Amino acid sequence: AQTVTQSQPEMSVQEAETVTLSCTYDTSESNYYLFWYKQPPSRQMILVIRQEAYKQQNATENRFSVNFQKAAKSFSLKISDSQLGDTAMYFCAFDHAGGTSYGKLTFGQGTILTVHP
Amino acid sequence: NAGVTQTPKFRVLKTGQSMTLLCAQDMNHEYMYWYRQDPGMGLRLIHYSVGEGTTAKGEVPDGYNVSRLKKQNFLLGLESAAPSQTSVYFCASRPSTEYSYEQYFGPGTRLTVT
Repeated sequence: AQTVTQSQPEMSVQEAETVTLSCTYDTSESNYYLFWYKQPPSRQMILVIRQEAYKQQNATENRFSVNFQKAAKSFSLKISDSQLGDTAMYFCAFDHAGGTSYGKLTFGQGTILTVHP
Repeated sequence: NAGVTQTPKFRVLKTGQSMTLLCAQDMNHEYMYWYRQDPGMGLRLIHYSVGEGTTAKGEVPDGYNVSRLKKQNFLLGLESAAPSQTSVYFCASRPSTEYSYEQYFGPGTRLTVT
């Protein structure tokens, strides 16, 4: 079974600064997908970014980028130019992408990020 | 296009009572999921369905039953609620196509069992 670990229960950052959230995972699969989801106080789950394991290039979405280290099984999220609206719980998630995956996600414990003005 | 909706948004039950949570999606997605969210544990998969009339167990299925009689609806039942089932429940859906990665989540249901 896959496991996903987020070792930072809480993080804080000043507005306009950069912050990195950590995620490690354990799997024996060679092909899989990794995700970062954002959950603001509204409780709505929002997809921030995704990475396919077979792609060497790190994914980027505007101010959000990942550092995907496949050998180390590490998948960190970097938020640049942090904004107050980035305050949320962030979850790392794993999908093993095989025929029997059916898109099931394994989530990490979450990291609460607070952006201070 | 409402996306994924959940009914109800909040509920308080007494131990031993039963209830059904309804999830509905209007995106014609084949796959649907029920997760529970507990502090410090992230989201954990309870049950899932890959199509109308099919369901399967996830990571934490005990105490729950599900049904998917219509493609757009996925019901989660608690036959005899226990305090350990106090949680926030999320429904999600996504297409079955290989490159449709994103799961679309409902707004969640906060359930308290006293």
